[in-house]
Amino acid sequence: AQTVTQSQPEMSVQEAETVTLSCTYDTSENNYYLFWYKQPPSRQMILVIRQEAYKQQNATENRFSVNFQKAAKSFSLKISDSQLGDTAMYFCAFTLINTGTASKLTFGTGTRLQVTL
Amino acid sequence: DTEVTQTPKHLVMGMTNKKSLKCEQHMGHRAMYWYKQKAKKPPELMFVYSYEKLSINESVPSRFSPECPNSSLLNLHLHALQPEDSALYLCASSRSSGNQPQHFGDGTRLSIL
Repeated sequence: AQTVTQSQPEMSVQEAETVTLSCTYDTSENNYYLFWYKQPPSRQMILVIRQEAYKQQNATENRFSVNFQKAAKSFSLKISDSQLGDTAMYFCAFTLINTGTASKLTFGTGTRLQVTL
Repeated sequence: DTEVTQTPKHLVMGMTNKKSLKCEQHMGHRAMYWYKQKAKKPPELMFVYSYEKLSINESVPSRFSPECPNSSLLNLHLHALQPEDSALYLCASSRSSGNQPQHFGDGTRLSIL
């Protein structure tokens, strides 16, 4: 079974600063995807960024980037130039790559990020 | 704007009522999901439909009954719910139920009296 751990229940960052959210996971499989989802108070889950495990290059989406360390099973999210709109709950998630018809997202417990003035 | 539309946004019902939650997507996705999310917790998977067939049922009580009438619609029929069923119910879809990212709706906030 796969597990995802987010060890920071809450974090705070000032506007325009950089913050890093931690995520570790455990799996015996070699082929999988990792995701970061954001859930603002409006409650919609929004995909922030994803990483394929077979790619060594870290994924980047504008101000969001990841530090993917496969051997260490670590997948941290860096938010640069933080904005008030980044205030949200952030979930790290894992899914196995398969060609079957059933797949599941395993979520971490979440990190609540507050961006302050 | 979300590409996965859920209705209603809020629902209050008694324990003897029968109601349905609806989810619709027009992205051509062939996998659709129901999740239950309690406050300050991650979503918990309930059901997965792949090509309109139920492929995963996470041992959900029978008072929750999913239905997938076509590739764009997903329903969750509710009957005789308990107060502990009060939660945010999220629908998601993806291109397949494999490794493609899931796109989520805004959810239905359900309160059981």
